[in-house]
Amino acid sequence: GENVEQHPSTLSVQEGDSAVIKCTYSDSASNYFPWYKQELGKGPQLIIDIRSNVGEKKDQRIAVTLNKTAKHFSLHITETQPEDSAVYFCADNAGGTSYGKLTFGQGTILTVHP
Amino acid sequence: GAVVSQHPSWVICKSGTSVKIECRSLDFQATTMFWYRQFPKQSLMLMATSNEGSKATYEQGVEKDKFLINHASLTLSTLTVTSAHPEDSSFYICSAVTGGDGYTFGSGTRLTVV
Repeated sequence: GENVEQHPSTLSVQEGDSAVIKCTYSDSASNYFPWYKQELGKGPQLIIDIRSNVGEKKDQRIAVTLNKTAKHFSLHITETQPEDSAVYFCADNAGGTSYGKLTFGQGTILTVHP
Repeated sequence: GAVVSQHPSWVICKSGTSVKIECRSLDFQATTMFWYRQFPKQSLMLMATSNEGSKATYEQGVEKDKFLINHASLTLSTLTVTSAHPEDSSFYICSAVTGGDGYTFGSGTRLTVV
C-alpha cells in the first residue's frame, strides 16, 4: 500500500525563523497533497494543498513545493509565530482518485519559542 | 466554508457498552465520509469509507462488526463502537468530501473506555 514518510518528527524553532517539513510518497499516481495543522484535542485543519500539475503554491507565510520526479513535497513556514506551534501532517491521495482516501504522514510536532 | 459537526467531543463509557459518534455536514451534502482513529502521539489511521446509501468499506484489520458505520443520509454519518473495551479508547475523527474544497474534518471525539 501507499507509504508517506514525514520528517522531522519534532522541530523546534525561534519565533521569526523559518520551518521546513518534508514528506516523500511512494505512489506515482498520487496527485493531491494537502497539509494539515492539528492542535491538541482538535481535528486537523487544512492549511495548504497542492495538486500534481503545480510545482509550488504560496499563501502568505505558508508555501508548499512539489517534486513529482523525486516524489517529495515540502511545507515551508516563514516568520514563525508561537501560535504556529502544533502538529503538522502531510497526506496524499494514493491512487490518484479524486476525493479518494488520504494516506497521512507520521506528523511533525512544531514548537515555536517566543 | 464547509463545516462538519462531530458529537460528542468526548465520552466515557463502561467496558462492554456501545457508543455512537455522529458527524453532520452543516452546509453541504456529504456523499462520502471517512472515519479515522488516532492514538496519542500518532498519525490518523483510516478505519473505513462510507458512501451515502451503501455499505461502508473497511480497511484491513478493522472489525466491521465492532465498528458499525451508517451513512443513511447526505448530511449524517454515524460510527458505533460496539462492546467497547479499554483498547478501543482513542480519538475518532470523521472527514467529509466537500467537492471543490477537498476534505473537511470534524473536531474529533475522545473515547475513554473504563
